[in-house]
Amino acid sequence: AQSVTQLDSQVPVFEEAPVELRCNYSSSVSVYLFWYVQYPNQGLQLLLKYLSGSTLVKGINGFEAEFNKSQTSFHLRKPSVHISDTAEYFCAVSESGNTGKLIFGQGTTLQVKP
Amino acid sequence: KAGVTQTPRYLIKTRGQQVTLSCSPISGHRSVSWYQQTPGQGLQFLFEYFSETQRNKGNFPGRFSGRQFSNSRSEMNVSTLELGDSALYLCASDYLSGGRGTDTQYFGPGTRLTVL
Repeated sequence: AQSVTQLDSQVPVFEEAPVELRCNYSSSVSVYLFWYVQYPNQGLQLLLKYLSGSTLVKGINGFEAEFNKSQTSFHLRKPSVHISDTAEYFCAVSESGNTGKLIFGQGTTLQVKP
Repeated sequence: KAGVTQTPRYLIKTRGQQVTLSCSPISGHRSVSWYQQTPGQGLQFLFEYFSETQRNKGNFPGRFSGRQFSNSRSEMNVSTLELGDSALYLCASDYLSGGRGTDTQYFGPGTRLTVL
């Protein structure tokens, strides 16, 4: 079985500052990793995913994440945030090749202040 | 290409009733997954259907059921509603052929169910 821990429930940050949202996972099998964003009253939108290959993954809206197998982490980063990045961010894991079942972390609310 | 659509968007029911939610996947997508989102439990996987067969199942009671039709549209049903079933129910789809596809789930906007 897999599990995901998002270490921060809320992250306040000023506009144009860098941000890191932390995610650790646990699994006994090979996994795929994902970051999704959810804006109020909307569904989830994929930011980026790691399936295999390069451990540094670039996504939409200037976000990137690095897969660290030894530390079982997949932290999300952005060098300069905007007010429009204010949203809830979810890290998720699935078994490799079985992406029909995603296990999500509890979410991190990113609050970008002017 | 149209995204994942879910109907209805909002629903109010009373305890003991049953409810059916509908999900139309992106055209060409054959896998449909359902999730429940609540403030307390977060996002939890309910089940996944592929080619009208349930492929994966989460840890929910038997009151939660689903099905998929030949056109890949899916429905989920909750019988004997409880207050704790109030949640946002999200549907996601993926293209799968021969077991592989985009390895990405695309989510709909959700159905907000309120149980009174």
